[in-house]
Amino acid sequence: GENVEQHPSTLSVQEGDSAVIKCTYSDSASNYFPWYKQELGKGPQLIIDIRSNVGEKKDQRIAVTLNKTAKHFSLHITETQPEDSAVYFCAARDDKIIFGKGTRLHILP
Amino acid sequence: DGGITQSPKYLFRKEGQNVTLSCEQNLNHDAMYWYRQDPGQGLRLIYYSQIVNDFQKGDIAEGYSVSREKKESFPLTVTSAQKNPTAFYLCASSIDGTHNQPQHFGDGTRLSIL
Repeated sequence: GENVEQHPSTLSVQEGDSAVIKCTYSDSASNYFPWYKQELGKGPQLIIDIRSNVGEKKDQRIAVTLNKTAKHFSLHITETQPEDSAVYFCAARDDKIIFGKGTRLHILP
Repeated sequence: DGGITQSPKYLFRKEGQNVTLSCEQNLNHDAMYWYRQDPGQGLRLIYYSQIVNDFQKGDIAEGYSVSREKKESFPLTVTSAQKNPTAFYLCASSIDGTHNQPQHFGDGTRLSIL
């Protein structure tokens, strides 16, 4: 079955700098890759997703890239702000969705 | 205002007791899901339902049960057979169960043992 690895588990960046979170997946049949942001005491919120027929997608300060050959995808957050501090989860889906273990992002003032 | 509502936000269970977590959605979604989240872990699938009156076991179904009598409701019962029930439980829904539809989550129920 599918296995999703997410790195790093914790990431600290200076406010205004960029943050990159990387995920790899094992099942080449996976064709949908969402990213979720989870704030303390809340449920995960979908922030961006990408399907296997595109290599990159951007939404304001957030972008996701997908390399199907290498089976990895990444989340890029530019011009980070304090409200970006949260736990971020990647996921990959073929017949069911498998989540990575999350990255705790700290934005330093 | 459409969304997924989970209740209660906090729940305490005594040893040997069954408890039921509520999940209601008004998004008119066909598919609903229950996940368990433990500290430092990803989300693990307990049960899912792609249509009313039908549901399937996920990866960690032992000690849990569900029902799907109405499209908008998917309650989860944590039975006394679940020996380590302390966790954060998340309910989600999607338009249908196909491969590339996003899941939308509620704000969770935190279950603790007394």
